[in-house]
Parts: sequence; structure tokens; C-alpha cells
Amino acid sequence: QVQLVESGGGVVQPGGSLRLSCAASGFTFDNYGMHWVRQAPGKGLEWVAFMRYDGSRGFYADSVRGRFTISRDNAKNTLSLQMDSLRPVDSAIYYCARNYHYAFEEWGQGTTVTVSS
Amino acid sequence: QSALTQPASVSGSPGQSITISCTGTSSDVGGYNSVSWYQQHPGKAPKLLIYDVNKWPSGVSNRFSGSKSGNTASLSISGLQAEDEADYYCSSYTTNNIWVFGGGTRVTVL
Repeated sequence: QVQLVESGGGVVQPGGSLRLSCAASGFTFDNYGMHWVRQAPGKGLEWVAFMRYDGSRGFYADSVRGRFTISRDNAKNTLSLQMDSLRPVDSAIYYCARNYHYAFEEWGQGTTVTVSS
Repeated sequence: QSALTQPASVSGSPGQSITISCTGTSSDVGGYNSVSWYQQHPGKAPKLLIYDVNKWPSGVSNRFSGSKSGNTASLSISGLQAEDEADYYCSSYTTNNIWVFGGGTRVTVL
């Protein structure tokens, strides 16, 4: 069955960096585009970034463009999100999700990022 | 990248039908048949209910149905059940490989 397992969350000071990972299994990883979606405490869902199936190009929400970098390693079935210049407003649960017909078809359980001094 | 507009809350009695609206613009909802809907129970990851405006993923109940008219999409839930009490989000693809979510709707089963 499809599994997406996020890791790498934690507590970081403002201005710091963190790298999230999403380990995929149960499907042919390099056939699918992949997303990162986040949810701040008590708030709604916010799309963060998308990586094409072949890793050729990433796309970003305005709120993170220039600070976050999405990447993937199709040989290791892994999606990553490098987060730099973190701000308190970046505190959230970060989910990776598989793209299907422009929808977020499968979701991981999420990893929590807290940006605080 | 403005969020799509959803009502904050909708309620209904068991067995009734409810509808949740999702209003965007011609750059997102109105411009693409790429609207999707998600259900999220507290402390859980979201679950895909509808994609491509009105298609069901495998395993999703046909009590959930989607539609679109102009810049507004809708999710209908028929035969409301206690387990349907959750948060619901719409999403749309927009230009330049950007996606946007609605603010979410809390559904309460009375």
C-alpha cells in the first residue's frame, strides 16, 4: 500500500534552517509529482511547494519562495524540503502528498516544525 | 495567491443533505476543472474526497459529490452521518503550477 513518511521536524530558532524528508513506498515514485502542504496550529491547509515527477523543476507559494527549496531523489524514493530563513509563521505540521490529477491524492502523517526563540 | 472562500461552518441533522461552497476567481476555480475536496478529522491527515470537480477516488462514498458553476465549486454530502463531522477543504490548481486551498469549513452533525 502507498506510504508516505515525513521526518526531520523539530524546534528551530528564527532565521535558522531545517530539512524535511518524505520517504515514499508502495508505488512507482518517479511516476508522480509530489507536494508539500502545511497546516499551522488551529489553521487551515496551505500549499507550500510542488516538484515535477522527474525533478526538473519546483514551484512555490509566494510565502516561501526564495527561502524553501523542494527536491527529490528518485533513486531513493525520497522527497525533501530545505527550509532556510525560518520565521515563526512557518510553524506548522508539514505534510508531503502525492499528486494525481492536480489533487493531493495520498498524504503522510506529517512532521511538526516549530520556529521559536 | 488568495485563499478560496468557504463558509466557516455548516451544520445538519443526521440523514439530511448539506452543501459547502468554494468561491474563487477565473484564475483558479473558474479557469480549470481541477477542483478537489478534502475531509480532515481532528489530529488526522486530510483525505481526498473529490478530484477534477466531480470524480471519486477509489473507496470514497458516493454520498459525497462535487460540482462547479462559474467561479464557485460545491461539495454536497447526502445522508449526513455522525462520522461526517469534520473539517472540509477545497483546493484548486491555478496558473503557473500554483495551488490554492480554501479556508476550510467545519461540518457539525446536530
